[in-house]
Order: sequence, then structure tokens, then C-alpha cells
Amino acid sequence: DTEVTQTPKHLVMGMTNKKSLKCEQHMGHRAMYWYKQKAKKPPELMFVYSYEKLSINESVPSRFSPECPNSSLLNLHLHALQPEDSALYLCASSRPLADRGTQYFGPGTRLLVL
Amino acid sequence: DAKTTQPTSMDCAEGRAANLPCNHSTISGNEYVYWYRQIHSQGPQYIIHGLKNNETNEMASLIITEDRKSSTLILPHATLRDTAVYYCIVRVRRTSGSRLTFGEGTQLTVNP
Repeated sequence: DTEVTQTPKHLVMGMTNKKSLKCEQHMGHRAMYWYKQKAKKPPELMFVYSYEKLSINESVPSRFSPECPNSSLLNLHLHALQPEDSALYLCASSRPLADRGTQYFGPGTRLLVL
Repeated sequence: DAKTTQPTSMDCAEGRAANLPCNHSTISGNEYVYWYRQIHSQGPQYIIHGLKNNETNEMASLIITEDRKSSTLILPHATLRDTAVYYCIVRVRRTSGSRLTFGEGTQLTVNP
């Protein structure tokens, strides 16, 4: 099973809402990532978790709050977002000890902030 | 990680080989070349990677020049489903979770 799943596929939220994005993998990977991708642009890294600990935060605004409750799950909590936060949010995972640069990506959650 | 330069777009006829170039003139000795692709509205997909030898797998071949300053991804028999943005990424092979820095990539369009 080389699948990373993400829910929901689409999300529309207002600027005062609180919502969460969920990512799951069952490949035994111990590194998980959140990327953000604006239209017609490449993905940009937001956060990296390694062994359930946050190892990289690319100076992401605090209205985005990541959480890694266990080795298979990664959440991204959203609060008080702005319309410019509308984007495709991608989750990925990899094997940290045997990292070959191979990251497995989920299909993404397409977020629209109104 | 070294910077890469790729053409913005390329076209290829279905059934023909697609050759996608990438320049990475500042690559250092311990940096690998990785290729990913992203089909429209999907997550990126790993294709292949290499250090200095040519590599081949079921998806593609990777040809790296002897000086390692450039490489070419070859899709031997392109199909319509190969239409995607192809990203060439150069990075050190690290032992812990680390970033992939995507450039702008090449939009490959395979035409019938």
C-alpha cells in the first residue's frame, strides 16, 4: 500500500471558521509533510514532522496549526484564514532513516476561503 | 540545494519519446537529481532519481552528463496520460525528513 489519503477533497470556509485537514498513511513512514500549492505555482513546504515531532516550520502563520497525533496521522488545523490562503494543500510522507528523497504525496485538499 | 533550470513547456507526439532537459550547473558532489511529475489537480508523483550513473525504471530513464551539470528525463513512449508538469529537483540525500524544493517545472503536453 503506497497510498497517502487526504480528507476532505474540497473545503470551503469563511474567515471566522475553524476547520481541520486530515492526512493518513499506513506505509510505516515516520516523516510527514504539509505543502501548500497556489494555482499555477509549484508546491511549497509548510511543515515537516519526523517521528511525530515538528522538525521544520517554514515560518508559517499561526493561523495554520499542525498536529501529528500518531505515526500514521497528520492534521492541519485552520483558524481565521484569509482569502489568500486559498490553495491546494498537499500531504506527503517518507521514510526518514532511509530517505532517498522519495516522498509519497496525497491527492490534496482544495481549500477556498471566502 | 542546487538551483535547477527547466524549459517552461514542451510538446511531444503520442508514442514518441519525450526528452525533458534540466540544467543544474552548481550541483555538488553529494547532491542527487530527482524527478517528480504532477498531473493536473493531483499530488506530485516520484519518477526517478540518480547521482551520476544513468538510471532506468518502469516509468522513465534518467541520463546525467559526465560533469553532472545537466540531466535529461526520457519517457520512451509518451502517452496522453503523461501530460503533466515535470519537476527536476537537486538535493542532498538526507537521513531525516527534509524539504523538497520545487522549481517551476516543465509543462509537458503529449498530443494525439
